Amino acid sequence: QQPVQSPQAVILREGEDAVINCSSSKALYSVHWYRQKHGEAPVFLMILLKGGEQKGHEKISASFNEKKQQSSLYLTASQLSYSGTYFCGTEPHNTDKLIFGTGTRLQVFP
Amino acid sequence: DGGITQSPKYLFRKEGQNVTLSCEQNLNHDAMYWYRQDPGQGLRLIYYSQIVNDFQKGDIAEGYSVSREKKESFPLTVTSAQKNPTAFYLCASSSQRETDTQYFGPGTRLTVL
Repeated sequence: QQPVQSPQAVILREGEDAVINCSSSKALYSVHWYRQKHGEAPVFLMILLKGGEQKGHEKISASFNEKKQQSSLYLTASQLSYSGTYFCGTEPHNTDKLIFGTGTRLQVFP
Repeated sequence: DGGITQSPKYLFRKEGQNVTLSCEQNLNHDAMYWYRQDPGQGLRLIYYSQIVNDFQKGDIAEGYSVSREKKESFPLTVTSAQKNPTAFYLCASSSQRETDTQYFGPGTRLTVL
């Protein structure tokens, strides 16, 4: 039931791109993306609702393929501040509950 | 400033003692949640509440208890029945009138000695 994230870890140089995937075995109502720095609370990045939409915020964007029950997070021209662990939270139907993946650890080096 | 507060940030307890973690929000959110996070792991749902005086078990509720007497507050008690209580505990809240986005507090790191 827990969504599967891939890859588990990514190492980048500043300016490189990355894609993080999130797959669920259940039909989804929404997908939420968060970034967590070590020892801190997860910070909300964006939400994608049922309907296959794509969203973006500056150089971070995401897509949601409802039929495949998958979401992908795209980080373009990465910055040092992008380092952290990225979690997807999936919401089956409209349950008000999120099920979080195990996370993808991203490290950006100068 | 609106937000979610958790206290304390660090907590140490002896094995066999109950301990209560505080979570308060002034965002006027209806729903509140408690998660547990272990090193290198994702977030696992302990309990959640969608309305005052009502709450539901999450995936790992055994050894924990909660109350929701006020909209702003959702304290979590870690009882002596919890086999491995040392973890990072995160509280979150969301508005069901919006898109159910959950906003997290800063967390409490509990260490049981």
